[in-house]
Amino acid sequence: GAVVSQHPSWVICKSGTSVKIECRSLDFQATTMFWYRQFPKQSLMLMATSNEGSKATYEQGVEKDKFLINHASLTLSTLTVTSAHPEDSSFYICSANNRGAGPYEQYFGPGTRLTVT
Amino acid sequence: LAKTTQPISMDSYEGQEVNITCSHNNIATNDYITWYQQFPSQGPRFIIQGYKTKVTNEVASLFIPADRKSSTLSLPRVSLSDTAVYYCLVGAPNTGTASKLTFGTGTRLQVTL
Repeated sequence: GAVVSQHPSWVICKSGTSVKIECRSLDFQATTMFWYRQFPKQSLMLMATSNEGSKATYEQGVEKDKFLINHASLTLSTLTVTSAHPEDSSFYICSANNRGAGPYEQYFGPGTRLTVT
Repeated sequence: LAKTTQPISMDSYEGQEVNITCSHNNIATNDYITWYQQFPSQGPRFIIQGYKTKVTNEVASLFIPADRKSSTLSLPRVSLSDTAVYYCLVGAPNTGTASKLTFGTGTRLQVTL
């Protein structure tokens, strides 16, 4: 089946630094990837839609200059949290759209736990 | 995007059948119903998807009435390892552009001995 990986699985960084999270579709091409954020005991919140070769579309309330998204190839999207602050500490999950896989379209990565100290 | 409503939590004993119902009164004609399972600190995992009537796979069954305004995920003989959060989502897959998924609150299922 379709597999989506994320790297790193967890990261700790100091306040004010930037962190890059990678999302890869391992065995299929993903023209669209999605980035979610999840706080403890809460649901997933969609942050942005990442389209290969074009600018990402951000959900309302998500700062595009703080959460930089680059979808440089059909198998890789990156999320960079710039000037991270403790309130950015969260679980970040990506998903990839596999249009040719069957009726369901999205496969989720294992998530990245970000802790900002 | 159709909004979904699920019970916040459910408890069950190991070996019982668990039915989780989801309401989606504003479901559109092209929308499918998809259920995901999520364990702590992991990404959601696809369980089952359906459009109408009944769908069954090796892990669950999905019952959808004729009006499609609700759906019920049925987990037969749950075990402790089924303790997780279950999300019901509606959307139109493969419409030519990737459709966004909107996650509701989900149902936190706790299975005990």
